[in-house]
Amino acid sequence: GESVGLHLPTLSVQEGDNSIINCAYSNSASDYFIWYKQESGKGPQFIIDIRSNMDKRQGQRVTVLLNKTVKHLSLQIAATQPGDSAVYFCAERDAGNNRKLIWGLGTSLAVNP
Amino acid sequence: DAMVIQNPRYQVTQFGKPVTLSCSQTLNHNVMYWYQQKSSQAPKLLFHYYDKDFNNEADTPDNFQSRRPNTSFCFLDIRSPGLGDAAMYLCATSRGNRGNTEAFFGQGTRLTVV
Repeated sequence: GESVGLHLPTLSVQEGDNSIINCAYSNSASDYFIWYKQESGKGPQFIIDIRSNMDKRQGQRVTVLLNKTVKHLSLQIAATQPGDSAVYFCAERDAGNNRKLIWGLGTSLAVNP
Repeated sequence: DAMVIQNPRYQVTQFGKPVTLSCSQTLNHNVMYWYQQKSSQAPKLLFHYYDKDFNNEADTPDNFQSRRPNTSFCFLDIRSPGLGDAAMYLCATSRGNRGNTEAFFGQGTRLTVV
């Protein structure tokens, strides 16, 4: 069977509250970042992306903030809903190979009704 | 409409018995990827194709092979599955140009080894 996995960081929020998920990335030369949402038993789903020439990008109920000074990325979800419960991964484009992504560890978001 | 399709969704195989997982795409993307994902971990890239060029990751075991007969299809062959190969296998595609590297994922195949 599968080996025992790591324990993901977990964020627990009340329905209707705003959620903030944080991610630190490794390479100051990285120029493109993506947030993925992965529901249980499904493949990762693209949420939003941002290029390094921006520090903020907004989508529908989601905002990504990029702080290049401290190599930090965050995903803000407004008015969190039960359907937002999932594992969220940040990923940075590999500066040495633009076809590859370097993945963060993931954060499990639990939304309490 | 599904754009990256993986078959089957669930696969049970015997220890040591070769198994093939399938992926097809309707996006006409240049790049196709195979990832392995274990419980509570990020996806781990096994290899990818850029068109017909195969790119293996340095730490991918020889037990894992891949074929891409045409743009639309890509296969993952596990020659002799061990218990440690039980995982979710994810196929993804991307355009492969410099603009964006957004990868589109299939729903995955959950492999169980008995």
